[in-house]
Amino acid sequence: SSELTQDPAVSVALGQTVRITCQGDSLRSYYASWYQQKPGQAPVLVIYGKNNRPSGIPDRFSGSSSGNTASLTITGAQAEDEADYYCNSRDSSGNRVVFGGGTKLTVL
Amino acid sequence: EVQLVESGGGLVQPGGSLRLSCAASGFTFSSYEMNWVRQAPGKGLEWVSYISSSGSTIYYADSVKGRFTISRDNAKNSLYLQMNSLRAEDTAVYYCARENYDILGYYYYMDVWGKGTTVTVSS
Repeated sequence: SSELTQDPAVSVALGQTVRITCQGDSLRSYYASWYQQKPGQAPVLVIYGKNNRPSGIPDRFSGSSSGNTASLTITGAQAEDEADYYCNSRDSSGNRVVFGGGTKLTVL
Repeated sequence: EVQLVESGGGLVQPGGSLRLSCAASGFTFSSYEMNWVRQAPGKGLEWVSYISSSGSTIYYADSVKGRFTISRDNAKNSLYLQMNSLRAEDTAVYYCARENYDILGYYYYMDVWGKGTTVTVSS
């Protein structure tokens, strides 16, 4: 079982805003990173740290954190954002890496 | 171009062994920590193992500890995963991923991923 908890599925209307959350005790010590994975493809980093986007990631993706909860927000969701999203951080000991169970985002 | 290319996957019987490789290019491999992450069919991402840039620090998931061994050869820009005593539940796509981090230790992230290599454990 994951030490980071995500909702299994979320949906959003095209062009609307959606927030995907990730909860876990380790998030009180570490910022989460977020990955997008489309079917048959490797994961792609979309957000890391407090709210950093790698080069090439659209600015509609943003991240935030409060207490034991990290959030990934997509402002103005596009059809191409439909994918699985995973959060990740070190565990509370710092000696293991943990992933959330993933959230399947559907863009309606 | 920064790139990671995994190889070595295949079909193996339960109890068997397999060695995965990950070839790095386009960056100074010896400066980066590396991870193996796997994904069973239809399931989420599962971290498998971590190795520091020098190879001196290694971590494993409980599910593979004692059976898998991570290693690296910085002279060959390569990462390895020796998998022994394989089980059906080890069936997955195995990704190698480069780790980056904040110097203060507030966050870690995997910024470069390979396309993965498939391991199937079945009789």
